[in-house]
Amino acid sequence: DQQVKQNSPSLSVQEGRISILNCDYTNSMFDYFLWYKKYPAEGPTFLISISSIKDKNEDGRFTVFLNKSAKHLSLHIVPSQPGDSAVYFCAASPGVGYKLIFGSGTRLLVRP
Amino acid sequence: NAGVTQTPKFRILKIGQSMTLQCTQDMNHNYMYWYRQDPGMGLKLIYYSVGAGITDKGEVPNGYNVSRSTTEDFPLRLELAAPSQTSVYFCASILTGVANYGYTFGSGTRLTVV
Repeated sequence: DQQVKQNSPSLSVQEGRISILNCDYTNSMFDYFLWYKKYPAEGPTFLISISSIKDKNEDGRFTVFLNKSAKHLSLHIVPSQPGDSAVYFCAASPGVGYKLIFGSGTRLLVRP
Repeated sequence: NAGVTQTPKFRILKIGQSMTLQCTQDMNHNYMYWYRQDPGMGLKLIYYSVGAGITDKGEVPNGYNVSRSTTEDFPLRLELAAPSQTSVYFCASILTGVANYGYTFGSGTRLTVV
């Protein structure tokens, strides 16, 4: 029973274009959402987060959108760069500091 | 400032052997976590700790044990290793009350049980 789902295992985009990574969740108790980026042979690194009181959060080229009614969030990367090529994990929690439930990840490839 | 340090980075175990995966953090974080990542899967929570002397089970605790005698250290013990425990193990920590920053992860321990 996956509470956090990333239905696209991979995504390929051209450098300079927008990358959109999607995530769906089922537990209505989740109110804090995070995106992590992972390079091979490294641990995940925190990228951006959003709480349920917001529907958008921006940090430079990265924007996370939250649609609570649809239980859906997305990460937009604009413009995409080859260094963004990595696996991106969506994670959800009922509150800051609580256990995180992770999705299965989306492998992003940004082609030069 | 080292962050979260995991040792060893790689290990091969035979079925039935035991080992301890070490995790230490120097950020004075109170919450610590152990996750495992299987190929093509997300991270599954094994155990977590909200402070020294307090631990609790996550989603997949069977076959593992933990202890938290200090704020800095959170070792994960595998008893009677099985092939199903072949995975990459990540330790993570966070300071509660500090919003928006997420966990800090270690670089992982790749374990193979043969």
